[in-house]
Formats: sequence, structure tokens, C-alpha cells
Amino acid sequence: TQLLEQSPQFLSIQEGENLTVYCNSSSVFSSLQWYRQEPGEGPVLLVTVVTGGEVKKLKRLTFQFGDARKDSSLHITAAQTGDTGLYLCAGAYAGNNRKLIWGLGTSLAVNP
Amino acid sequence: GAGVSQSPSNKVTEKGKDVELRCDPISGHTALYWYRQSLGQGLEFLIYFQGNSAPDKSGLPSDRFSAERTGGSVSTLTIQRTQQEDSAVYLCASSLGLAGGIIDTQYFGPGTRLTVL
Repeated sequence: TQLLEQSPQFLSIQEGENLTVYCNSSSVFSSLQWYRQEPGEGPVLLVTVVTGGEVKKLKRLTFQFGDARKDSSLHITAAQTGDTGLYLCAGAYAGNNRKLIWGLGTSLAVNP
Repeated sequence: GAGVSQSPSNKVTEKGKDVELRCDPISGHTALYWYRQSLGQGLEFLIYFQGNSAPDKSGLPSDRFSAERTGGSVSTLTIQRTQQEDSAVYLCASSLGLAGGIIDTQYFGPGTRLTVL
């Protein structure tokens, strides 16, 4: 049983398109993170969200944490080829901020 | 160095041989994690060290896997009698080891790609 479901698993789009990827769970998380991983590299943190309903923007990336803190979304506006990579979400339960629950990731390919 | 480093970057071995993978965490980080990642997939937690506490070994898939962390810094993951299903990328991460509050952010190394023939 996967505790954090990410969808879609794969996504291939053209440069300039918008997209949204999702991270869903039946569990409540105290905080949640999104990472991007490029081939041959380790994951790199993009954002941490901690408050239900929180929206954070990082240039063309918009992250939202669900009101109930069970789900999150990442929206990319006007995708660029440099956005290509594996997007991973990871959540932490209250009282354990170190052992994260990881989703399987969304593999995004942005084509020129 | 500025980040987490891992060596070797690639390792090809024959089934049944033992392998050692090394991780150098960020200086000052008290927590260290090992993960396994199969092709294009998410991270599978293996083991976690925090300071001088007993490690959390709950993710190790079998007794062929072990890890140690010497002097609270460098860590070595050892896989004995390797099997083909051990082929994967092994990632190491370190963090400040902050207790409570929000996620204790992990910083990852580039990984070691292990291929067992």
C-alpha cells in the first residue's frame, strides 16, 4: 500500500503548456515537501508546506497544501524544457519530522 | 565539500560478491539516511542514523544489508552476497537533525548506481 499517491505517473507535454501534478493520501501530514530530481542526481528540495490551505509560489511553480493536510498539488505555468525531471512529494507525520513518507513520483518530460 | 558526496558513482559487480558504498555527509549534519531507488521510481527508505542514537534499521530489506557510521560522519552501506534484484541507485542524504516542528530537510548526494550481473 502506497501511503502517498502521485499522479500522473508520467507526463509528456510541449514547451509553453501548463500542467498540474498531484500528491494524495488518506493520512494527515504535519508538513509536506516537493522535490525535483534530474537524471544522475539526487532529489533537490523545491518547497515545504506546513499549513492547511497554504499556497506557495516559486516563479512559475505554484504549490498548494490541502485544507485537511492530506494532499498537495504542484502547478507549472508555461513549462520549459528545464522543468523536465522526476517530481517527488514527501510527507512527515506529527511527532516525526525526519522519517519521511515518499511518493513514487511524477516523471515530467517537456519537449521543445 | 559543500554538499553530500557519494562514492563510487557507478559500481558493477557479479552476483554473490560483496559491495561497499560510501557517503560523506554535509559537515555539521547529525542525521544521515540511506535510500534505494529503482529505475525512475520513488525512494525506498533503508536506514537512518541520528547522532549517537541506535540507528533505525527498519527499512533494510534483508540481513545482507548493513550500514555503519563512523565518528558521526562518514557512512558505509554494505551489501553482502549481492543479488540481481539489488541493482538500483543508492542515495544518501544528510540533515541537521532538528527535532520537532516541520520537516528536517534532507540534502541528497548524487547516488551510487549499482549493477549486479
